[in-house]
Amino acid sequence: EPEVTQTPSHQVTQMGQEVILRCVPISNHLYFYWYRQILGQKVEFLVSFYNNEISEKSEIFDDQFSVERPDGSNFTLKIRSTKLEDSAMYFCASSEGVTGREQYFGPGTRLTVT
Amino acid sequence: GQNIDQPTEMTATEGAIVQINCTYQTSGFNGLFWYQQHAGEAPTFLSYNVLDGLEEKGRFSSFLSRSKGYSYLLLKELQMKDSASYLCARETGGYQKVTFGIGTKLQVIP
Repeated sequence: EPEVTQTPSHQVTQMGQEVILRCVPISNHLYFYWYRQILGQKVEFLVSFYNNEISEKSEIFDDQFSVERPDGSNFTLKIRSTKLEDSAMYFCASSEGVTGREQYFGPGTRLTVT
Repeated sequence: GQNIDQPTEMTATEGAIVQINCTYQTSGFNGLFWYQQHAGEAPTFLSYNVLDGLEEKGRFSSFLSRSKGYSYLLLKELQMKDSASYLCARETGGYQKVTFGIGTKLQVIP
């Protein structure tokens, strides 16, 4: 069964450093998403991406964040100048779109900013 | 706002039926998801409702009333493995933005 994959599973970085979280969505899916979940809190929408551009973004997704689909398979989230409060689990998800609303989530990357 | 309200915790007995309610703001509403999330894992899809009424899928059913801004998830024949958080999530902006509630942590006891 196809699945969304994410690397790394755990990333530790120092405050102020840049990190890139990587995702490989399901191959025939057209819509891609990033969410984060701070420990013990709700899943929060960050951004959706379709046709090589951002479709929607939340107020959390400020200039510190950017997304990219550098090739036909990868979807990345870059966080510039990380802050302590960026420590969270980051989930990538993908969906077919018109024919399927279901979003398939990857296993997540746990980001720890020290 | 994007308020989604659901109980934070529920407890139910193995073999029983439990209903988890969710209310949400109706402005801009497109559809309603339910996801299951076990501790330390990613959410997994359970259901998506866009029309009023009940949709059944095995032991799980989901109901939607668009006019009332109300949904529920019904779990039948509860099993111990159903102990998890159940996330109500509201879709807006076509199918491009999903806002999650805090989730209802369900504990199934013997």
